[in-house]
This record gives sequence, structure tokens and C-alpha cells, in this order.
Amino acid sequence: EPEVTQTPSHQVTQMGQEVILRCVPISNHLYFYWYRQILGQKVEFLVSFYNNEISEKSEIFDDQFSVERPDGSNFTLKIRSTKLEDSAMYFCASGQDMGTEAFFGQGTRLTVV
Amino acid sequence: GENVEQHPSTLSVQEGDSAVIKCTYSDSASNYFPWYKQELGKGPQLIIDIRSNVGEKKDQRIAVTLNKTAKHFSLHITETQPEDSAVYFCAASRYMEYGNKLVFGAGTILRVKS
Repeated sequence: EPEVTQTPSHQVTQMGQEVILRCVPISNHLYFYWYRQILGQKVEFLVSFYNNEISEKSEIFDDQFSVERPDGSNFTLKIRSTKLEDSAMYFCASGQDMGTEAFFGQGTRLTVV
Repeated sequence: GENVEQHPSTLSVQEGDSAVIKCTYSDSASNYFPWYKQELGKGPQLIIDIRSNVGEKKDQRIAVTLNKTAKHFSLHITETQPEDSAVYFCAASRYMEYGNKLVFGAGTILRVKS
């Protein structure tokens, strides 16, 4: 069964460093998303990406965040200068069509120290 | 802004009993309501979803009901089994041509005691 794959599963980084979280969505999907879940809190929407551009983003997704789909298969989330409060589980998701279900990856746990 | 409230936060049931989790949403334009199950160390997995043009949907032991007027939707699990133990999230969205932004509830920890 096709699945969304995320790497790494756990990333520890120093405050102020740049991190790139990687995702391989399901191959025929057209819609891509990043969500995050701070420990003990809700899963929160960060950004959606369609037709090679950001289609919607939340207030959390400020200038420190960026997304890219560099080669038609990978979908990455970059945080330029990490803060302690960026520590969370980051989930990538993809969907085949408008109004269809989103399939989630297993997540990357980001720890900023 | 959009908000989804989910209750209860934890639920313990005896194996074989039913479990019900309830959610309310604030955005009346929401038209898609998925439920996700999350097991330890894994990402959320879709278990059932419902669209705003139907009031109820069932898949084996799992059912979801939707009351658009009251902006409520619920997950019903019958004949619970220990493997149903997990965190369950409801979500609501208004799907647009450019994507589906999900607004999640806070989650319910379901424990099924054998």
C-alpha cells in the first residue's frame, strides 16, 4: 500500500540552526501539506502546496519557514533559524484530489536545544 | 477563527462495550469531517470520514454521524477490542480547489480494557 514517508524520524538541532525536514508523498498525489503537533497540543496546520506553489498558510508559517518540491517527488519543509518553541512533531500529508482524504506520514520529531 | 472541540479527552471502556467521541466545529462552511487514529510512534491514520451531504456513515464497527444544524459530529465504535486503544482525532475542513486545510480537535485517548 502506498504511503507517505518522512525522514529523519528524529532530529535534534541547536537553536538558531537551519533544519530541513523531508517527505516523499504518495506518487500520484497533487496536494501536499505540513502539520505540526507540539507535545500535548492539537495537530496544527502549517501550509498547503498545490500546483508548485503555496496555496494556503497559517499564522505559524512565518518568514522562517519555507517549503519546496524540488524534483517532483520530494516535499521539504525548511526552518531557517530554529527556536526552542519549534520543538514539535512535524507531519507531512498528501492528497490525490480536492476534497479527498489526506494521508499522513509517520512524522519527524524535531527537538531544538 | 475556525475551531474544533473534542470530548472526552480520555475514555476507558471494557472490551466489547461501545465508545463514543464527540466533536463540535465553528465554521459553518465546513463540509468534510474525517476521523484519524494515531498509535504510538505513528502518524494519524484515516479511519472514516463523512461529507456534509450525508448524516451518517458506517464501516463495520465504526460509524460517524453528522448534525450540520448543531455543528456536531460523533464517532461510534461498537464491540471495542484492545487494538482499538489509541488516540483519536476529529477534524473539519472546507475543501477548496487548492487543498484541504484540516482543523483538528485536541484528541481522545481511548483505552479498551480486556
